[in-house]
Amino acid sequence: QITLKESGPALVKPTQTLTLTCTFSGFSLSSAPVGVGWIRQPPGKALEWLALIYWGDDERYSPSLKSKLTVIKDTSKNQVVLTMTNMGPDDTATYYCAHANGYNSAFDVWGQGTMVTVSS
Amino acid sequence: SYVLTQPPSVSVAPGETAEITCGGDNIGGRSAHWYQQRPGQAPVVVMQYDNDRPSGIPERFSGSNSGNTATLTISRVEAGDEADYYCQVWDSGSHRVFGGGTKLTVL
Repeated sequence: QITLKESGPALVKPTQTLTLTCTFSGFSLSSAPVGVGWIRQPPGKALEWLALIYWGDDERYSPSLKSKLTVIKDTSKNQVVLTMTNMGPDDTATYYCAHANGYNSAFDVWGQGTMVTVSS
Repeated sequence: SYVLTQPPSVSVAPGETAEITCGGDNIGGRSAHWYQQRPGQAPVVVMQYDNDRPSGIPERFSGSNSGNTATLTISRVEAGDEADYYCQVWDSGSHRVFGGGTKLTVL
């Protein structure tokens, strides 16, 4: 059974860097064609894809946010870490990580999400 | 960047058929995935690769994708189908794109 769970701060200040961790089980991120993606959802708004890292360290980023994002994986810990720099009020959202089984596959299993508020 | 357009809302009476569309330039040339999101919950994939129902999704859910429109069809709509629905495709470079979401209301 595949599970994912996001963790990180609930509150960050403007201009700070956000670090979120996705801890997963039930699959290995060293096995093709697996990937773990990050998606966010501002309150009352639509889903927005942020980033995705694949088993071979192939990283993909949303073109509009690429300069703010970094995603890395630690296969020994079964974790994927997302960092987002220069946080602003518009980055207030629920952040989800999700499992993908291929480059063009759906996100077939999602974490419960973690709410992050950007405020001074 | 690639844009997906969904109607903000669709309303249907119980037992009727709901069609939720997702428009995009030649979207028929890409694989479309659909997610259901109930209030306060994480999204769940209800259709993948245009018309492949994941395990556990009722047969009432079906999908199609051709030309500039992908469609999620829900037959014999039930109260429990009331949710937000999002389409998603991959863009060039294997970037993922989500539509703006459609709120399905069961009257």
